[in-house]
Amino acid sequence: EDQVTQSPEALRLQEGESSSLNCSYTVSGLRGLFWYRQDPGKGPEFLFTLYSAGEEKEKERLKATLTKKESFLHITAPKPEDSATYLCASATDSWGKLQFGAGTQVVVTP
Amino acid sequence: DAGVTQSPTHLIKTRGQQVTLRCSPKSGHDTVSWYQQALGQGPQFIFQYYEEEERQRGNFPDRFSGHQFPNYSSELNVNALLLGDSALYLCASTLQGEEAFFGQGTRLTVV
Repeated sequence: EDQVTQSPEALRLQEGESSSLNCSYTVSGLRGLFWYRQDPGKGPEFLFTLYSAGEEKEKERLKATLTKKESFLHITAPKPEDSATYLCASATDSWGKLQFGAGTQVVVTP
Repeated sequence: DAGVTQSPTHLIKTRGQQVTLRCSPKSGHDTVSWYQQALGQGPQFIFQYYEEEERQRGNFPDRFSGHQFPNYSSELNVNALLLGDSALYLCASTLQGEEAFFGQGTRLTVV
């Protein structure tokens, strides 16, 4: 059975304290691995798509990487505005059909 | 360029009632998917519409049904509401091979 698992469930960081979020996946026929950011009561906001092992993408303080079994979202020198829930999701048989992990809730304090 | 829009933003219904949620996809997108997100969980795939037909379905009962119109907009209908149907309902639109863009969601509360 396909699974997407995120860890940790929650992460509390001091401003400037870098860290990484993990997304492990066991799916067959991965088309893409997605990272989204979600603020409370809002819809997920697209961050990155990774297509193949070894691929890396960056956006401001965020960097996403992909291996054959895991993806990592690295947050470098986070700011309080980076506080959100970060979701990863896999697409296999359809681009619009995503299987999400439960998310990692990140809180960055000044 | 308008993104994905959903209506209403909030809704309160009584057990046993029926509800209809609406979604307009991002301009140029032809595929709409619906998700249910319970508090503290990731979104769960309900179904996907393309060319006015349901193409894929997740593990949801037949009480959940949908429709896609010629202009690509979509509706999600839920019959015989249960307390457990209380959740944030998300609509996402895609163009084949591209990332899914989500709306702000409809918060449904069943009492």
